[in-house]
Amino acid sequence: DGGITQSPKYLFRKEGQNVTLSCEQNLNHDAMYWYRQDPGQGLRLIYYSQIVNDFQKGDIAEGYSVSREKKESFPLTVTSAQKNPTAFYLCASSRDAQETQYFGPGTRLLVL
Amino acid sequence: AQSVTQPDIHITVSEGASLELRCNYSYGATPYLFWYVQSPGQGLQLLLKYFSGDTLVQGIKGFEAEFKRSQSSFNLRKPSVHWSDAAEYFCAVEGYQKVTFGTGTKLQVIP
Repeated sequence: DGGITQSPKYLFRKEGQNVTLSCEQNLNHDAMYWYRQDPGQGLRLIYYSQIVNDFQKGDIAEGYSVSREKKESFPLTVTSAQKNPTAFYLCASSRDAQETQYFGPGTRLLVL
Repeated sequence: AQSVTQPDIHITVSEGASLELRCNYSYGATPYLFWYVQSPGQGLQLLLKYFSGDTLVQGIKGFEAEFKRSQSSFNLRKPSVHWSDAAEYFCAVEGYQKVTFGTGTKLQVIP
C-alpha cells in the first residue's frame, strides 16, 4: 500500500526537551511538507522540501528544524525554543511542488 | 499573497438534506483549488480539486464543487448528506508556489 506514515500518534514533551516527529512516504514523491494545526486556525506551514538535501522555511519555522537526507523521509524536530508546541502536526507529500498534496494521519504533541 | 476564507465555522444539517459549504479565495491569477475533509484526530483526505477546464468538479463521496471566477468562490456541495459526512472541511488555494488553507468548517449532521 502506498501512503504516508507518521509516528508516533501521540508524543509527550517535557520542558527543555527536543522531540522528533517521523514522516515517511513510499509514493516516490519529491516534495514533502510539515504543517501545524491548532483549533480554529487551519493549517500553517512549518517547513517544506522540494528535493532531497534541500528545504525551506514556511510561515512558522521558528523553534523547529528538519532534515531531508532521503527522498522518503522528512523528520521534524520540535526544539526547546518552541514555547508553545502543543498542537496536531501533519506531514504531507506531493509529486512535485505544483502537484496535489496528500496527508499522513498526524501526530499530536502534548507538553507535560 | 493569496488567502482563503471559509465564513462558516460550524454548520448543522439534517441527514438527507442538501449541503453547501462556502469558500472564497484571493489570488491574482487562475488558482488551483482544493477541498479536503478531516475526521477527528485524522489527517486530511482530498475530496476534489480544480486546476482548469470544466468549472463544475466532481469528487469522492458524492461531493462536487463549482469554481466561479466572477465571485472568487469555490463552494462545496452535496445533494443529500449522510451521518458519516460529519467532519471538518478545509478549502485550499495553491498559488505563488505554496498552498494556503482556510480555517475550516465543522459539519454536524443530525438525525
